[in-house]
Amino acid sequence: AQRVTQPEKLLSVFKGAPVELKCNYSYSGSPELFWYVQYSRQRLQLLLRHISRESIKGFTADLNKGETSFHLKKPFAQEEDSAMYYCALTDSSGSRLTFGEGTQLTVNP
Amino acid sequence: NAGVTQTPKFRVLKTGQSMTLLCAQDMNHEYMYWYRQDPGMGLRLIHYSVGEGTTAKGEVPDGYNVSRLKKQNFLLGLESAAPSQTSVYFCASSYSLGGARNTEAFFGQGTRLTVV
Repeated sequence: AQRVTQPEKLLSVFKGAPVELKCNYSYSGSPELFWYVQYSRQRLQLLLRHISRESIKGFTADLNKGETSFHLKKPFAQEEDSAMYYCALTDSSGSRLTFGEGTQLTVNP
Repeated sequence: NAGVTQTPKFRVLKTGQSMTLLCAQDMNHEYMYWYRQDPGMGLRLIHYSVGEGTTAKGEVPDGYNVSRLKKQNFLLGLESAAPSQTSVYFCASSYSLGGARNTEAFFGQGTRLTVV
């Protein structure tokens, strides 16, 4: 069974501080990992995916297969980064997307 | 471009009543999903479909049924609503999620359901 764990329900940082949202997963095969974000009053949307190895809005995430982690990082947080962040995993068939519990990030001025 | 549209946006039901939530997508996606979002529990997959006429159970299927008679529509039914089904329901669609066509899932705006 595939499982995603986000240990922090709430995370609060000050503007300009670094931020790291933790994500751990369990899956026996080769997973594909994603970060989705839900801004206030907006739809859930894709932020980034590990396979693309991209940086979106200053966020990056590296897949660490040894530690089974996919932490989301940003060196300098901005107030507009305040949102709910979900880590997600899909299996090799690509048919099921499993989400973590979510982390509510608040960036204070 | 409407994307993924859910109907209705809000609903209050009495225990034991039935209802159907409709999800429609205009992106010609093969895959469609129903999730429920509860505080502290994230999004949990109820049912999903990998094509017209096919459905499969997710993590929390009990108390729900689904149908995918047309490719663009995915219906979620509650036959006898219970207070435990009070939640925000999200529909999503995608071409695929992994492999060669590593595309994203597009979400609807959500349906807030309260069962009293």
